[in-house]
Amino acid sequence: DAGVIQSTRHEVTEMGQEVTLRCKPISGHDYLFWYRQTMMRGLELLIYFNNNVPIDDSGMPEDRFSAKMPNASFSTLKIQPSEPRDSAVYFCASSLSRGGGYTFGSGTRLTVV
Amino acid sequence: GIQVEQSPPDLILQEGANSTLRCNFSDSVNNLQWFHQNPWGQLINLFYIPSGTKQNGRLSATTVATERYSLLYISSSQTTDSGVYFCAVETYNTDKLIFGTGTRLQVFP
Repeated sequence: DAGVIQSTRHEVTEMGQEVTLRCKPISGHDYLFWYRQTMMRGLELLIYFNNNVPIDDSGMPEDRFSAKMPNASFSTLKIQPSEPRDSAVYFCASSLSRGGGYTFGSGTRLTVV
Repeated sequence: GIQVEQSPPDLILQEGANSTLRCNFSDSVNNLQWFHQNPWGQLINLFYIPSGTKQNGRLSATTVATERYSLLYISSSQTTDSGVYFCAVETYNTDKLIFGTGTRLQVFP
């Protein structure tokens, strides 16, 4: 099992540009979560999916953020346009079932300059 | 929403010492997990422990769900234990894991 894969460890983009973060969950896990970590706010849940369907996006900060899960093995988090305050580490996690243990990816550190 | 408080916020130990980290939560939970975030930023799941006691090597955890707290014990600490320890909980009416603010542990040789 390769774990949750976030293949991009560091992403640097210019303000105003579109940035897309990618995640491959563990095969067979029904739940996928996107978290953001900053010094000021800690670990925040942005959105989560169950069986590829977005269930709760109340943590998405504003309309500039969107997430998709076109199939069970892939999810994206897009920011358009990006702003410097979006700089953070974005984690993807997956879970086999409701109330189960989470496995986190290694995170993508986004820097918007 | 549920509140998750961790104490102490910071902890400095010499190698070989023991420590206890505490997590208090404000509502009934059906899921509680302890994570270690190492100095490289990786989040590692240590325990899935909504109730009871578990042990894994030098680490053990106890959750007393009826009293709404969990404890993480680290014995004979090593420098590789350094990092931030997070408690995270999920309530019965949501699928969302909510994280505490963490305990930052530094272990010196």
